[in-house]
Amino acid sequence: GAVVSQHPSRVICKSGTSVKIECRSLDFQATTMFWYRQFPKQSLMLMATSNEGSKATYEQGVEKDKFLINHASLTLSTLTVTSAHPEDSSFYICSAPTATDTQYFGPGTRLTVL
Amino acid sequence: DAKTTQPTSMDCAEGRAANLPCNHSTISGNEYVYWYRQIHSQGPQYIIHGLKNNETNEMASLIITEDRKSSTLILPHATLRDTAVYYCIVRVPGNFNKFYFGSGTKLNVKP
Repeated sequence: GAVVSQHPSRVICKSGTSVKIECRSLDFQATTMFWYRQFPKQSLMLMATSNEGSKATYEQGVEKDKFLINHASLTLSTLTVTSAHPEDSSFYICSAPTATDTQYFGPGTRLTVL
Repeated sequence: DAKTTQPTSMDCAEGRAANLPCNHSTISGNEYVYWYRQIHSQGPQYIIHGLKNNETNEMASLIITEDRKSSTLILPHATLRDTAVYYCIVRVPGNFNKFYFGSGTKLNVKP
């Protein structure tokens, strides 16, 4: 199947700093990608839809100024967590649909904010 | 998207078939049933999807009732590596259409 990668796989940062997470579709192009957040023992929560060439759309309750999304190309979307705080510590996962509408997920990025 | 209901957890003996149920009684005519699984600390993995006919692939079989209000994912010969959280999602196809995850079923495959 198609492959979606994320970088980094794990990141630790200090409170108040910003962290960028990359999501790449390795063998297909994706005009749309999705970002999720998952807290321990909970399900995935959709945060936002990343759109190539236009602004991201955010789910209700997700702060767009805190979670900046840029869909730089047909194979790359980035999520920047700005002014991170300990409560932003979570598992962040991206996904991208192929031409057949099968959604493939990245391996996730574990963010720890100290 | 229609809401789905799944049991919180299930046990299955290694080598036996695992049958995971999902209720989606408010499903609409153009919504498909998708199944994904998530092994601990990894991203979800696509398993199978269908509209109304039963589907089978190398991983699993999907049985959808005639009224489409429920479905069952069947792993024919469960292995320890199939231990994961299994998510049943109902959605209208389309690249711009989102996946909303419910709480899923934790399948424990035991030796």
